[in-house]
Amino acid sequence: SYVLTQPPSVSVAPGQTARITCGGNNIGSKSVHWYQQKPGQAPVLVVYDDSDRPSGIPERFSGSNSGNTATLTISRVEAGDEADYYCQVWDSSSDHYVFGTGTKVTVL
Amino acid sequence: QVQLVESGGGVVQPGGSLRLSCAASGFTFSSYGMHWVRQAPGKGLEWVAFIRYDGSNKYYADSVKGRFTISRDNSKNTLYLQMNSLRAEDTAVYYCAKEGAAAGAPLDYWGQGTLVTVSS
Repeated sequence: SYVLTQPPSVSVAPGQTARITCGGNNIGSKSVHWYQQKPGQAPVLVVYDDSDRPSGIPERFSGSNSGNTATLTISRVEAGDEADYYCQVWDSSSDHYVFGTGTKVTVL
Repeated sequence: QVQLVESGGGVVQPGGSLRLSCAASGFTFSSYGMHWVRQAPGKGLEWVAFIRYDGSNKYYADSVKGRFTISRDNSKNTLYLQMNSLRAEDTAVYYCAKEGAAAGAPLDYWGQGTLVTVSS
């Protein structure tokens, strides 16, 4: 089955840039979606199709995808960005939907 | 606005059954695929099952295949998850989520979840 690997944690100072990676075999050939989940809340879609943002999501959230790694970038990090972040793809070969292992972003 | 409201969670003994429901509103329910996703306490997200807009195709995670059944009633705008032969490792918050407009589209709206606890 397809596996997506994320770093368990990323720490960043306010105003700096956080980069969260999502590794998978030839993930660059798939569309990657990213979700933000704050404690006690449901996940929220923040980036879809590698680099598009839903309405209402700040431009500070951006994404890229190439080769074996997709990346979610949060620019000018704010305290409110502290959350868990998950990448997700659809594995068409198995018709399974796969989530990454999740990354906890801590704002110092 | 899109609203998804799950219900049916609770405490059940190992080997027991439970049926979850997800009431949808604010969009044309019959036009979109729907998912169930779960999250065990302190753990990450795990995709559980998907059903196409018309119920013609259903996909399941290996961990639940043969025990869980996803279904929908488009006349009632409701999604279901029938869970049988429950195990302790099925303990989780279960979310229903709406899929976007195409195959492999993101899960663009989520409910608040319902907690299922499997324990004797």
